[in-house]
Amino acid sequence: IAGITQAPTSQILAAGRRMTLRCTQDMRHNAMYWYRQDLGLGLRLIHYSNTAGTTGKGEVPDGYSVSRANTDDFPLTLASAVPSQTSVYFCASSDGSGGQDTGELFFGEGSRLTVL
Amino acid sequence: GQNIDQPTEMTATEGAIVQINCTYQTSGFNGLFWYQQHAGEAPTFLSYNVLDGLEEKGRFSSFLSRSKGYSYLLLKELQMKDSASYLCAVMDSNYQLIWGAGTKLIIKP
Repeated sequence: IAGITQAPTSQILAAGRRMTLRCTQDMRHNAMYWYRQDLGLGLRLIHYSNTAGTTGKGEVPDGYSVSRANTDDFPLTLASAVPSQTSVYFCASSDGSGGQDTGELFFGEGSRLTVL
Repeated sequence: GQNIDQPTEMTATEGAIVQINCTYQTSGFNGLFWYQQHAGEAPTFLSYNVLDGLEEKGRFSSFLSRSKGYSYLLLKELQMKDSASYLCAVMDSNYQLIWGAGTKLIIKP
């Protein structure tokens, strides 16, 4: 059972380059999320999707975009990376029917991104 | 604004008991979560409280007081593998999760 798979595991990227972080889940969860985790800060929500075909902005959406063409995949794109986007990115899913309502989050293993 | 406070770091001895506190100020309340995160790994779910009181799950228990905006995670019979960060998160009235910065727990033999 894979759960949630993220790729790449880590990446070093030059500023200004475009980058897509991939996230795939096999649990048929409706809701998916992208978080970033920085030292000394709590997890911060970038974008979310309550169901296939819909997306929403989280707390820190600027510089990021997402799409949800189907239930399983939820890629995160940095159109033009900047050093402040250096972080660990976690994709998560839940079987909640709307928003981040009741139900635990299942996280991928994370993608460590360094922007130079 | 919304805020979750928890200690940055705690140290405890193998076999002992430790209590990790979490206080919160949020716009509404729809439940409080505790997650465990080992270094370099993903967070994993530990507990969920929505009503006042104590929820026990093996060596781990979680307590909630909504009137005080307070929760704690109690870990008994500590093992070396319990060395990890423990994340407190509150779901607000919009069903958005607000996360604390986490408490790094160090277990010494």
